[in-house]
Amino acid sequence: EAEVAQSPRYKITEKSQAVAFWCDPISGHATLYWYRQILGQGPELLVQFQDESVVDDSQLPKDRFSAERLKGVDSTLKIQPAELGDSAMYLCASSLRGQGSDTQYFGPGTRLTVL
Amino acid sequence: GESVGLHLPTLSVQEGDNSIINCAYSNSASDYFIWYKQESGKGPQFIIDIRSNMDKRQGQRVTVLLNKTVKHLSLQIAATQPGDSAVYFCAENVIQGAQKLVFGQGTRLTINP
Repeated sequence: EAEVAQSPRYKITEKSQAVAFWCDPISGHATLYWYRQILGQGPELLVQFQDESVVDDSQLPKDRFSAERLKGVDSTLKIQPAELGDSAMYLCASSLRGQGSDTQYFGPGTRLTVL
Repeated sequence: GESVGLHLPTLSVQEGDNSIINCAYSNSASDYFIWYKQESGKGPQFIIDIRSNMDKRQGQRVTVLLNKTVKHLSLQIAATQPGDSAVYFCAENVIQGAQKLVFGQGTRLTINP
């Protein structure tokens, strides 16, 4: 069964350092999402791509976060510089077309700890 | 702001009993609702969904009920098993510019042997 792949699974960094997360969506899925999940809470959308274009980044802290999906397939989320409050699980999801009833499939996530 | 919330943060049930997990939503324009299961250290896993033009949908051992009058969503799990232990999230599809899912805080379901 096709799955969303993410790496690394765990990342420990010191504040002010740069970190990057990678996501490979399910093959053929045009829509890719990055979520942040703080422990004990539900995921919150950071950015949504339709192919290579950003369709929603209203919740992305653009002073330190950036995301790209240059070829419309895999994607990278970067934080520079990392802050203590960035410690969370970063989840990637994909769906076929990004329409309302399309199921979003999640990857295993990257657990980020900022010291 | 508009959000999806859950009535109970934790729920403990005996193995073999039925579980009911509740969710309240506030966006009356939401047209699609989903339940996800998240096990420790893993990403959310799709369980079942329902469109706003339906009030009930059944899957394998799971049933979702939607009451639009009181903006309430529930997930029923029949004959709960140890593998059902997880955090369950409801999510609603809202349209704020682009369509996006808004997740609730989650309910932790624990199955007692």
